[in-house]
Formats: sequence, structure tokens, C-alpha cells
Amino acid sequence: DTAVSQTPKYLVTQMGNDKSIKCEQNLGHDTMYWYKQDSKKFLKIMFSYNNKELIINETVPNRFSPKSPDKAHLNLHINSLELGDSAVYFCASSQSEGTYTQYFGPGTRLTVL
Amino acid sequence: DAKTTQPTSMDCAEGRAANLPCNHSTISGNEYVYWYRQIHSQGPQYIIHGLKNNETNEMASLIITEDRKSSTLILPHATLRDTAVYYCIVRVWGQAGTALIFGKGTTLSVSS
Repeated sequence: DTAVSQTPKYLVTQMGNDKSIKCEQNLGHDTMYWYKQDSKKFLKIMFSYNNKELIINETVPNRFSPKSPDKAHLNLHINSLELGDSAVYFCASSQSEGTYTQYFGPGTRLTVL
Repeated sequence: DAKTTQPTSMDCAEGRAANLPCNHSTISGNEYVYWYRQIHSQGPQYIIHGLKNNETNEMASLIITEDRKSSTLILPHATLRDTAVYYCIVRVWGQAGTALIFGKGTTLSVSS
């Protein structure tokens, strides 16, 4: 049973295209996150949602738009892809009470050509 | 969130204990110490967390000094599968949706 899943695992696309990455969690959590890991391996927060409401929106280009249709899903849509968007994107989830421990998905490796 | 300092890399022989140190000298009273690891190309994996008492679970032990300015993650019997980057993170308790601030971590290499 996969706790946090992401699709697709790999995504190769051309500059200028629009793409989406999907994330689903079956842990019953009410908070979800998107992190980006660049080529230097630094992991940075992009967004977080609590009960479908945006909590964190770091300095991310507005070409990136997260969408949370329900508490179990947080999708990431990227418009007009650029070379610099190439990275591994990780989704995570946590409960908003208790330990707040975040559980991560396997990642989506995005390559923009 | 407080900053943490970790050694860049460490080596450990398989079967021996791996002791990974972390310095968090500016930690506040309401901040917890979390440890995560990232095995190559996988998502970060939660290991353990603590406030001021020592903690143990099925993966590891966490030893926090009395002044809380440093901690040590102990993997009691390291295996090759424990080769990973280990992150020590200090995070305020009780804030839903707040991010984990990842540093560079310690690259642990376990060899046979």
C-alpha cells in the first residue's frame, strides 16, 4: 500500500509546454506539500496546503499553480516550462495535529529540453 | 527555524553503530529535532524526532544533550541499505503546514 504516490515518475518535455504532476495520499492527512530538489540536491519547499487551503507559497514563479481538489490530492501544474524547471519534485503529507511528521512520495523527475 | 550543522560525510563499517552528530546551538524551547534520510533517488524518509528526552524506535535512537544544543542519531547496526544522506532538522512544534528546512545533510557511506 503506497502511502504517498506521485504520477508520473519521469516527465520529459520541451520548453514552453504545460505539464501537470499528480499527488495522492491515503494516510488520511489533511496537509500536503510540494518540494523541489534541484541539481545540487537542495530540497526546498514550494507550497503547502491545509484542508485545501494554501498555507505556504514560497517565492515560486506564478507559472506554477498547485490545485487541491480534496484533502487527499495536491496536483502541481506548470505552464510555459523553462530549462531551469528541470528538477525532482516531491510531494509530502502530514497531519495538522499530533506529530506533524511529513511523509514523502517517491518523486517526479522533470526534464525540460 | 534554527540552523543545524552536520558533518559533510561519514563512513561506517557494516554491522557497526553509526553515530551521526548534529549541532543546533540556537534551538528554541518550542523546537523539536527531526531526522530524515534520503536514499539515492528516493523521497526523504522520516526516521525519528525528539524534544529533550532520548528517543528510540525500530530504526534508530536519538540522543539529545541536556542543553539541547546538539544531538546524535544512532543507527545501532548499520547495513549497506543505510547508505544515504541524513538530514537533521529543527522545527517548531504545532504549526500545521510549515515546511521542513533541509540543509546539506551528512552523507553516510556504509561499506562491507
